[in-house]
Amino acid sequence: AQSVAQPEDQVNVAEGNPLTVKCTYSVSGNPYLFWYVQYPNRGLQFLLKYITGDNLVKGSYGFEAEFNKSQTSFHLKKPSALVSDSALYFCAVRPIPMEYGNKLVFGAGTILRVKS
Amino acid sequence: DAGITQSPRYKITETGRQVTLMCHQTWSHSYMFWYRQDLGHGLRLIYYSAAADITDKGEVPDGYVVSRSKTENFPLTLESATRSQTSVYFCASSGSYVAGGGVNEQFFGPGTRLTVL
Repeated sequence: AQSVAQPEDQVNVAEGNPLTVKCTYSVSGNPYLFWYVQYPNRGLQFLLKYITGDNLVKGSYGFEAEFNKSQTSFHLKKPSALVSDSALYFCAVRPIPMEYGNKLVFGAGTILRVKS
Repeated sequence: DAGITQSPRYKITETGRQVTLMCHQTWSHSYMFWYRQDLGHGLRLIYYSAAADITDKGEVPDGYVVSRSKTENFPLTLESATRSQTSVYFCASSGSYVAGGGVNEQFFGPGTRLTVL
């Protein structure tokens, strides 16, 4: 079965410090991986995706993510956190092949709190 | 307005009533999805559609019905609402083709907060 795990319910970091939000996945074959962010009372916003190629993917708002096939991980990172980064972050995977259509499997989400 | 919209944004109903949540997108995306978001569960797929008149069940389809007669609309109906269907519902859409391969990301609507009393 396809699954995504976000092992931390909440991550706390001080403004200006680097942040990491963890994600591991379990799928058959090579996955397509995504990160989304959700601000209060809003829908999810796309941050970045990994399809193939360079293991370090850069996305919106200064975020990046590192794909590690051997560890089946796709951790979200940012070198210097902002208070405005505080939100709920979701990791998602779209398994291959196409029989899965364009569906995504989401993790449970991680709350990021950045304190000034 | 361009994008993906949902209506209503908030809805309170009673157990046993039929409720329809609307979703409309202006991008002519092939794929559309309905998710529910519950604390501790993240987002769970209810139904999805690959094109007009093509729909399929997701992870938690029981108690829900969908239709897609037009590409831009994907309504979700709760035929007889139950308290367990109290949730925030998100509609999403994505394109079906990416030049050179790969996959399109999904774009999400603002959500509908449904309370079933």
